[in-house]
Amino acid sequence: GQQLNQSPQSMFIQEGEDVSMNCTSSSIFNTWLWYKQDPGEGPVLLIALYKAGELTSNGRLTAQFGITRKDSFLNISASIPSDVGIYFCAGQGLRGTSYGKLTFGQGTILTVHP
Amino acid sequence: SQTIHQWPATLVQPVGSPLSLECTVEGTSNPNLYWYRQAAGRGLQLLFYSVGIGQISSEVPQNLSASRPQDRQFILSSKKLLLSDSGFYLCAWSATDRGLLRTDTQYFGPGTRLTVL
Repeated sequence: GQQLNQSPQSMFIQEGEDVSMNCTSSSIFNTWLWYKQDPGEGPVLLIALYKAGELTSNGRLTAQFGITRKDSFLNISASIPSDVGIYFCAGQGLRGTSYGKLTFGQGTILTVHP
Repeated sequence: SQTIHQWPATLVQPVGSPLSLECTVEGTSNPNLYWYRQAAGRGLQLLFYSVGIGQISSEVPQNLSASRPQDRQFILSSKKLLLSDSGFYLCAWSATDRGLLRTDTQYFGPGTRLTVL
């Protein structure tokens, strides 16, 4: 089946630093999504990418749909303490189904030191 | 706008007791619905999905079952809980129509923390 490799698994950074994480797939994806999960809460959709090469920003967050359609990255600029959480990538491959089944990465745990 | 609710938020149950977790969606019709389990704050495992009332598909063999008695209601159940059923349970929905929302984008509820003792 489809698998996503998300890296890094965890990051420890200082407030104000920029952050970069990425996901790679063993097969072509039609959709890339980035979610953030705060402790004890459900994942919240940050950015959705639907077209190869697409670059989308949401405030300090920027994500890109890789041109090969097998990868995506998420950048966070000028990190702040509330950026702490788990970031998940998710996507749907070419053999996507009508019910929107997604494949998820294992997550990147971000810790920001003030 | 659409909202998704889950309850209870937390639950502590003894081994062997029954389970019923509820998920409801507002602001959309005929959504696709999903149940996930998340262990140790990492990795989302899809348990069940539903494309309509009474239509349930299971992704993994387990001690749990799901039902969809109404269009926007999704229930996760068990007759006898096991210790291994402990975890964070997430409900999600995605659209089925090709309007403003895409079918390949899921939106999650707040989750239920289940502890089986």
